[in-house]
Amino acid sequence: TQLLEQSPQFLSIQEGENLTVYCNSSSVFSSLQWYRQEPGEGPVLLVTVVTGGEVKKLKRLTFQFGDARKDSSLHITAAQPGDTGLYLCAGEGYDMRFGAGTRLTVKP
Amino acid sequence: EAQVTQNPRYLITVTGKKLTVTCSQNMNHEYMSWYRQDPGLGLRQIYYSMNVEVTDKGDVPEGYKVSRKEKRNFPLILESPSPNQTSLYFCASSRGRSSYNSPLHFGNGTRLTVT
Repeated sequence: TQLLEQSPQFLSIQEGENLTVYCNSSSVFSSLQWYRQEPGEGPVLLVTVVTGGEVKKLKRLTFQFGDARKDSSLHITAAQPGDTGLYLCAGEGYDMRFGAGTRLTVKP
Repeated sequence: EAQVTQNPRYLITVTGKKLTVTCSQNMNHEYMSWYRQDPGLGLRQIYYSMNVEVTDKGDVPEGYKVSRKEKRNFPLILESPSPNQTSLYFCASSRGRSSYNSPLHFGNGTRLTVT
């Protein structure tokens, strides 16, 4: 059973489109992290959110932590082929738990 | 360059033949951890280490061993590999167990196939 549910599991879009991926849990987390993983590489941290309701922006990526600190979303504006990858969320409670990821493909 | 180095990148072996996957970090991190990544299951923690000579089980420790004799190295040992251990393995390190101020740094993975 996944403690963190990510949706959608797969997403294929055209360059220039906007998208949102979700990370949901019934557990409360002290912090939540988003990682991006490219083929043949390990996950790389994108952002950490800590406060309920917190919004962080990283260029075209906007991350939001839910008010209750149980869920998070990642919104990408005007997606580019370089955004292609596996996006993982990870919630920290007593330990760190990872979701299964959203595999994003952005076609030129 | 700060990095976590795993070796080998690819490994094909047979059931029961002992193997070791090495992991080394050059960031003087106290915390190190091993994960396996399987489709639809995400990253699951196998073992972790808070410091030298301190190791503990993660969520899926069965069939694995680890050791932490030096701060920089954290090898993963499979004494008698079985086909259900076929997976993509990642080593990671951070300054401390809490990731808030110390994110996990991952190696590039070891793809293990056990036939």
